[in-house]
Amino acid sequence: DAGVTQSPTHLIKTRGQHVTLRCSPISGHKSVSWYQQVLGQGPQFIFQYYEKEERGRGNFPDRFSARQFPNYSSELNVNALLLGDSALYLCASSKTVLSATEAFFGQGTRLTVV
Amino acid sequence: KQEVTQIPAALSVPEGENLVLNCSFTDSAIYNLQWFRQDPGKGLTSLLLIQSSQREQTSGRLNASLDKSSGRSTLYIAASQPGDSATYLCAVKLSAGANSKLTFGKGITLSVRP
Repeated sequence: DAGVTQSPTHLIKTRGQHVTLRCSPISGHKSVSWYQQVLGQGPQFIFQYYEKEERGRGNFPDRFSARQFPNYSSELNVNALLLGDSALYLCASSKTVLSATEAFFGQGTRLTVV
Repeated sequence: KQEVTQIPAALSVPEGENLVLNCSFTDSAIYNLQWFRQDPGKGLTSLLLIQSSQREQTSGRLNASLDKSSGRSTLYIAASQPGDSATYLCAVKLSAGANSKLTFGKGITLSVRP
């Protein structure tokens, strides 16, 4: 079975541009979460979606938005990119939003803002 | 606010050594704790998940323990190998009532010398 897949793997954008990152969860998983990991730090929670509804939001500006589609895949959108948005963006999938479930991560999208 | 600490930030050991990686958290009301491995520039690979009702979990040469009352977890790696070189992150999930986000430490970068 395929794991969590993210696209693209690498991306270079200019300040002020917009970016869309994509994630496909493990088959049968209905929850997708997004995390931002800057160099040398642990991942920081951005969003969680379950059954196409937002279930949680981290401390990120409104330039960050996301959505989940009927097939449970998800997009993370970032507007008006800043240099500080350069990071590895990780997607995690889990079967449900129940606290007991294990999270599985994709390989990430490396975003570089120049 | 839950904070997760992993000390030291880096560790170098000779091949064959048994080692312990430490993780501490400030809020003992966790639901579970997960240990991950991250290779440079890559995503996270789940190693072990310990529910709050459990004391330890084992997988191959890895053993993770959890002491909620003291806010500590350890990851024991037996007979370390150069292929174990990576960054190891621990993450906690708060009890029911919060969204099921993970709060991560910054990780411990392990280097196993041949």
